[in-house]
Amino acid sequence: DAGVTQSPTHLIKTRGQQVTLRCSPISGHKSVSWYQQVLGQGPQFIFQYYEKEERGRGNFPDRFSARQFPNYSSELNVNALLLGDSALYLCASSSTSGAEGGELFFGEGSRLTVL
Amino acid sequence: AQSVTQPDIHITVSEGASLELRCNYSYGATPYLFWYVQSPGQGLQLLLKYFSGDTLVQGIKGFEAEFKRSQSSFNLRKPSVHWSDAAEYFCAVAPAGAQKLVFGQGTRLTINP
Repeated sequence: DAGVTQSPTHLIKTRGQQVTLRCSPISGHKSVSWYQQVLGQGPQFIFQYYEKEERGRGNFPDRFSARQFPNYSSELNVNALLLGDSALYLCASSSTSGAEGGELFFGEGSRLTVL
Repeated sequence: AQSVTQPDIHITVSEGASLELRCNYSYGATPYLFWYVQSPGQGLQLLLKYFSGDTLVQGIKGFEAEFKRSQSSFNLRKPSVHWSDAAEYFCAVAPAGAQKLVFGQGTRLTINP
């Protein structure tokens, strides 16, 4: 079975541009979470969606938004890109909405470089 | 606010030696605790987790971790490391019932042949 797939794997943008990152969860998983991992740091939670509803939001500005589609895939959008948005963006899926029981399965990430 | 501290940014051990990676957390109640591993170019893989019960938790790849409430610690151990264990290791916590993970900054493990 396919794992969590993310696209694109790498992309380069310039300041002020907008970017959309995509994530397909493992088949049957209804929860998708997004994390930002800046070089040399641990991942930081951005959003969680479960059954197409937002279940959690991290401490990120409104330039960051996400949505989940009926097939449970998800998009993360970042507007007005800043140099500091350069990072690895990780998507994770789970079969449950809470941490108990369900394991988070991570994709390999989308590496965004903002010039 | 919850926080996770991994005091060691980089650790080098010889192949076959024992390993202990430290993790301390700050949280009002007992959180859910996790250890993840990240190899270059790959996503995060769950090694083990603690929710409740036995404070010594067994994971994959021969790893184990011990939860010590009095020390707010959840250290990861392996009795004998292999060259394939070289990677970045992250400790994480989540409030009970929630899926928002708070990660430490990670410990990079290098294995000497």
